[in-house]
This record gives sequence, C-alpha cells and structure tokens, in this order.
Amino acid sequence: SQQGEEDPQALSIQEGENATMNCSYKTSINNLQWYRQNSGRGLVHLILIRSNEREKHSGRLRVTLDTSKKSSSLLITASRAADTASYFCATDANNAGNMLTFGGGTRLMVKP
Amino acid sequence: DAGVIQSPRHEVTEMGQEVTLRCKPISGHNSLFWYRQTMMRGLELLIYFNNNVPIDDSGMPEDRFSAKMPNASFSTLKIQPSEPRDSAVYFCASSLEVVSPLHFGNGTRLTVT
Repeated sequence: SQQGEEDPQALSIQEGENATMNCSYKTSINNLQWYRQNSGRGLVHLILIRSNEREKHSGRLRVTLDTSKKSSSLLITASRAADTASYFCATDANNAGNMLTFGGGTRLMVKP
Repeated sequence: DAGVIQSPRHEVTEMGQEVTLRCKPISGHNSLFWYRQTMMRGLELLIYFNNNVPIDDSGMPEDRFSAKMPNASFSTLKIQPSEPRDSAVYFCASSLEVVSPLHFGNGTRLTVT
C-alpha cells in the first residue's frame, strides 16, 4: 500500500490564487519530499523537508510538516498556468530501508 | 548534464514477447531506481541498486521481471514474457545516495497487446 496519500486528488483554481495540497503518511519517516510531474514527463524534485523541520520555503513554494499528525502540506502561492501538473509527496520510512514511496498525487489545474 | 536517459520512449509489443527497457543514470550517481506508474496503482518501486548491486527487489511483480546493472552507467529492466497487465509507464531514476532527491528520466510507455 502507498505510504503517502495526497488530498485532494484533483484541484482546479484560477491563475493568481494559492493552491494547497496535503499529504498524509502512516509510519515514522526520516524526510518527506515533494515532486511535480508534467504530462508525459518524469517527476521533478521540488523540495525536501527533514523530520526535525516544521516549515521550508523555496520561491513560491511553502512546505510544512507535522510529524505528530503524520501530515505535510504544499502551498503554491500566486499560481500560474505553468504550475498545472500533478504533485506527489514521497517519504522514506524508517522501517523501509530508506527507500522512497510515493503517494497517489494531486492533479492541479491552473486556469489562465 | 543530460539527465537520466531512458530508451525507448514508447514500446508496443505483443503478449508473450520479450521487452527490454534501458536506462543511463546521471554520471556520478550511485543509486538507481526502477518505478512503474499506472492509473490504478500509482508509482510503484520495482527495484533499486546501490553501487551497481541490487539492494531490494521486493517490488518486482514476479519472475517475469528482471533487472541488471552491469556498470555504473547502464541498467536494463527486462520482461519476459510480457503480458497486457504489464502495460504502464516505466521510470528510471538516479540519485547521489539512496536517501537524496531522485532525478527521473522521461519514462518508457509500454503497451502490451
């Protein structure tokens, strides 16, 4: 079964709005990563947050991690049409040999 | 850097045929991963190598699947014989270490008829 589960499965917003995607996981982790996938392409790494960190920023991206709730969120501010993609969280669980397992993803559509 | 290179980009084959997917990781990366992506099951880790040695192949569906990494710059994933349920996009990814950001290729879309 998948370690991470994203919510919502699909999200449609207008350009300029903020997009928030959530990820929940089941077991304790070392770190959590977010990836983006454009249609027909491979995944691209966006940001990594370690288990001892609570928040991280990269450009228009803001990631939070709540290990007590086993959840993370990815916020994209001032969205652009080019942000349209699927977004995945990935975790390396302590009991999984540090291998990355991916959630099912959130499909984000940003309308111009 | 050219990134992770996978070939072919598309493969259409008939059930029962052998299929070989190829991957060239980023130079200097010592971990390589094979993933399979389908609508139903999402992204599944099939196998990963560290320093050319297979570390965990528990995700390989069955004996019809095999993977090799003869050197640091090349890996193959073979399916023999192929079945329609193997239809998926197969991704190869590499990283500097096992626990570090993955760099994905653009995948091979496999269709087995």
